[in-house]
Amino acid sequence: AQTVTQSQPEMSVQEAETVTLSCTYDTSESNYYLFWYKQPPSRQMILVIRQEAYKQQNATENRFSVNFQKAAKSFSLKISDSQLGDTAMYFCAFVLPRSVNRDDKIIFGKGTRLHILP
Amino acid sequence: DVKVTQSSRYLVKRTGEKVFLECVQDMDHENMFWYRQDPGLGLRLIYFSYDVKMKEKGDIPEGYSVSREKKERFSLILESASTNQTSMYLCASRPRQGRYSNQPQHFGDGTRLSIL
Repeated sequence: AQTVTQSQPEMSVQEAETVTLSCTYDTSESNYYLFWYKQPPSRQMILVIRQEAYKQQNATENRFSVNFQKAAKSFSLKISDSQLGDTAMYFCAFVLPRSVNRDDKIIFGKGTRLHILP
Repeated sequence: DVKVTQSSRYLVKRTGEKVFLECVQDMDHENMFWYRQDPGLGLRLIYFSYDVKMKEKGDIPEGYSVSREKKERFSLILESASTNQTSMYLCASRPRQGRYSNQPQHFGDGTRLSIL
């Protein structure tokens, strides 16, 4: 069974600093997809960034980037120049392609609560 | 933009009541999901549906049932509410994936349910 582990339950950093959230996963499959979701306080969960396992290049979305280490099964999220609006719960998620995963279920980690301090 | 709408942001019910949580999506997605979110436990899948009238149990289905009579609507039912079902409930939808596609889930705002 696939699992996703986020080892940092909570983190705090100063505004404008760079912060890295860690995520590891376990699977025997070679093709899969990884996501980072953000859930601001009392607001909707939204997708931050996604990565296909067959792509070696790390995904980037503005100030958000990932460090995808396939051999180590690691998928960390880096937030550069952090802003107060980045305060949120962040979830790492994993899904197998439909060719393997009939159910289309996404597996989530337990989340990291990130506080950006002024 | 995909819109997933949950009928209530906050709901207070009493022990033993039958509770309905409604979710509607406007993007013709085949897959719909119900999660509960608790501190330290992350998101736990209760039920999901991959088509109208189709449903499958997730990781914690006990005490819950679901209904999907129309493609856009997925209802979560607490047959006899108990205090341990006090939680945040999240609905999500996702299109049926092609063989190698990777569309993310889209979430509603959540319903914070309190059972007294």
